[in-house]
Amino acid sequence: SQQGEEDPQALSIQEGENATMNCSYKTSINNLQWYRQNSGRGLVHLILIRSNEREKHSGRLRVTLDTSKKSSSLLITASRAADTASYFCATDAAGANNLFFGTGTRLTVIP
Amino acid sequence: DAGVIQSPRHEVTEMGQEVTLRCKPISGHNSLFWYRQTMMRGLELLIYFNNNVPIDDSGMPEDRFSAKMPNASFSTLKIQPSEPRDSAVYFCASSPGRSNQPQHFGDGTRLSIL
Repeated sequence: SQQGEEDPQALSIQEGENATMNCSYKTSINNLQWYRQNSGRGLVHLILIRSNEREKHSGRLRVTLDTSKKSSSLLITASRAADTASYFCATDAAGANNLFFGTGTRLTVIP
Repeated sequence: DAGVIQSPRHEVTEMGQEVTLRCKPISGHNSLFWYRQTMMRGLELLIYFNNNVPIDDSGMPEDRFSAKMPNASFSTLKIQPSEPRDSAVYFCASSPGRSNQPQHFGDGTRLSIL
């Protein structure tokens, strides 16, 4: 299976702290995406990093990609209670536009 | 801009009944995806379409499941007959259809089969 796995499965932090989530995958990719899911809602795209990129920033989000280790990390800086959600990584299948989603990290930010 | 629209948001029915889930993708998007999400199995891709044509239905669990996309603005996922183990949240997503493009998800249909 090409499905990724996030680590940790659950993370609880205080507001203002940084949150780091990791993703590992199994096969070669063209790009890796991170999504967020609030309770009872659909997934929302956060950021995409291509296989030839090592780091990407978007606001308080920082994503890294290490294709040699087949892993990625998502860092949320200065977390807020509103960041409480599940976060998923997703990888593509070479030559196709379908995605394989990981198992998710449930982040709780305590006010 | 309207996002992906799914209906109904919630469905409760008895086992053996036919269930039809509906999806309207974002206008101009060429790819449409159906997913199922459960606590045990996470998010599973059931089937996806490019330009209204089914490309990969290997994720469809059984012959009881079928999906159609009669035109670019509408898709259905049907379960007949339904079973309690089909209870899950079913998501539809669409994308422009090119690689490196994000998928846009609807808010899902929460299906409960009694």
